[in-house]
Amino acid sequence: DGGITQSPKYLFRKEGQNVTLSCEQNLNHDAMYWYRQDPGQGLRLIYYSQIVNDFQKGDIAEGYSVSREKKESFPLTVTSAQKNPTAFYLCASSISQDRRISRTEAFFGQGTRLTVV
Amino acid sequence: GIQVEQSPPDLILQEGANSTLRCNFSDSVNNLQWFHQNPWGQLINLFYIPSGTKQNGRLSATTVATERYSLLYISSSQTTDSGVYFCAVEDWDSNYQLIWGAGTKLIIKP
Repeated sequence: DGGITQSPKYLFRKEGQNVTLSCEQNLNHDAMYWYRQDPGQGLRLIYYSQIVNDFQKGDIAEGYSVSREKKESFPLTVTSAQKNPTAFYLCASSISQDRRISRTEAFFGQGTRLTVV
Repeated sequence: GIQVEQSPPDLILQEGANSTLRCNFSDSVNNLQWFHQNPWGQLINLFYIPSGTKQNGRLSATTVATERYSLLYISSSQTTDSGVYFCAVEDWDSNYQLIWGAGTKLIIKP
């Protein structure tokens, strides 16, 4: 089945370490996004990419980095510069070339819960 | 930029009740989606509804684009409907980014 896969589901990080969250999609979507969600809050955009080898900062990009070397993959690295990384991270994709579905409908992965220990 | 407001922020109902959730947006939008975030955090697509009315089982949604609001109706609520409901809109100028409301937290009591 087509979808978005995030891994791992849970991730623990020591202070000062970089960690990378994986996001893979097989929906043939052009655009991919990373969001951060803190407890009881809404979603905030970290980075997004509309095409391979190109990405843009969202509202809270500081302390994060991304790459988009393949259409299917958009990994997020949480660097040691991110002062408060404990949060729930969600990956999404949209912009389909499939005429059977809405072009800009966004779909989400199951999320990664990152905890700094 | 465009603003998205959802109401009410919290809603507690008994199983079997009906509910209406509202999403107001401050400018014309290209796209509007409703999502349900379940207790495990996953965001489930409910409706892609930039205008008009759609129904899916006990859920239906109506967007009146000219008046800049959307309504999500849940009939005969079940405990599995509990969670947070988000409205997100796509601004014409936002390069396909979604602008999110703060959500409505729905608790259905058995």
